[in-house]
This record gives sequence, structure tokens and C-alpha cells, in this order.
Amino acid sequence: EVQLVESGGTWVQPGGSLRLSCAASGFTFSTSMMNWFRQAPGKGLEWVSYVSSTGNTIYYADSVKGRFTISRDNAKNSLYLQMDSLKAEDTAVYFCAREAVEMATTSIVNFFDSWGQGTRVTVSS
Amino acid sequence: AVQMTQSPSSLSASVGDRVTITCRASQGIRDDLGWYQQKPGKAPKLLIYAATTLHSGVPSRFSGSGSGTDFTLTISSLQPEDFATYYCLQDYDFPRTFGQGTKVEVK
Repeated sequence: EVQLVESGGTWVQPGGSLRLSCAASGFTFSTSMMNWFRQAPGKGLEWVSYVSSTGNTIYYADSVKGRFTISRDNAKNSLYLQMDSLKAEDTAVYFCAREAVEMATTSIVNFFDSWGQGTRVTVSS
Repeated sequence: AVQMTQSPSSLSASVGDRVTITCRASQGIRDDLGWYQQKPGKAPKLLIYAATTLHSGVPSRFSGSGSGTDFTLTISSLQPEDFATYYCLQDYDFPRTFGQGTKVEVK
């Protein structure tokens, strides 16, 4: 059974730092693309960051670029999100998700089929 | 960035009703779109990917259609467990972008 478990969320003051972790099990983590998403209280979902299976390709949302760093340790089946210079607007539940790939007739299709339960980050003074 | 415009933002429906939710992309995204269901306090769940493909284990009352810029999620006969918020998500390009969500409420 695929399982993703986030941890590390807590309360932090503006300007502070936090490192989120996502422990993966039940699938071959080292060949899977991974993402972080977030959801501010009462708001919709927002994509935060992507990392390829090898860690060589990384993308960020403009809202976190330059402040957040995604990384992974395939030997530990773990995904991370280092969050620096935190702002009040970073307050959210953060989810990690696997991005699966499937070969279609004429193309490759992507989808987010497995999600963790989320970890809550509160940035407040 | 590709903007996803989802409508309606909420709707009221009864068990057994047919429900339709739409998403419009600001540019063509082929069929690189998924639909997700989220219940309060829970993670999103994948329903449909590649615009029309039903994810494993998802009831057949859910279906997706569309390609290019216009997409639709249809629930053919709403069940009690379907009251939730639904989001479209494009995976055509980075940054990935969601629609604003549609909350399906009890009429």
C-alpha cells in the first residue's frame, strides 16, 4: 500500500525557518516524481514545488521561489521542503504527493495519485 | 502561467441529481487535466486524469470530458458521499495550477 506521511509542521515566527519531511513507503520512491502542495485556511489548493526522481529537475511556484528548497533522499525514501524567510501567507496545510506517469496511446500522462495526510504550518508572531 | 477558471464556485444538489462542473484553461492544455475531490480536513483524492480516464477504484458515476481549453466533470447520480469540494488541476506545464474549487452542498 502506498503511504506518504508528512511531518515537521509547527508554529513559527515570521522570518523563521522550518523543514518539512515526507516519508514514503509501499512504492519505488527512487523512480517517482514528487511534489509539495499547500492549502491555506479556508482556501483552495496551491501547487508549491516539484522534484524529479533523480532530483536533477526542480520547479517552484513564484510565491515560494528563492525561499523554499525541495530535496529528496532516495536512500531514505524521503522528500523534504526547507522553508526559509517564512511569511504569514505561508500559513497552510502542506501535502506531499506522488506524481505518477502512465503511457497512453500517443503520449505520456501524469497524475497525482497518492497524497499524504498533510502537516500544518502556522506563521505568526 | 496557465490560469484555470472553474465554475460554479458552489452548487446545491440532492441525492440522485446529475451534477456538472466546468474548468476553462487560459490556453490549450491538450488533455493534461485531472479532477480531485476533497473532503474537510482530508487530502485530495484523484478522480479523473488525462481529462477522461477514471482512476482505479473511482465509481463509474464520475466522468470527465473535454480537451484543449474546456473541460467538464460530471457526476451522473449524486450520492451522499459525494458532497465535497472538487478541483481541476492542469499538469500541462509548470507552475501546476488549480481551479478555484466547486463546493457541492446538500440542497
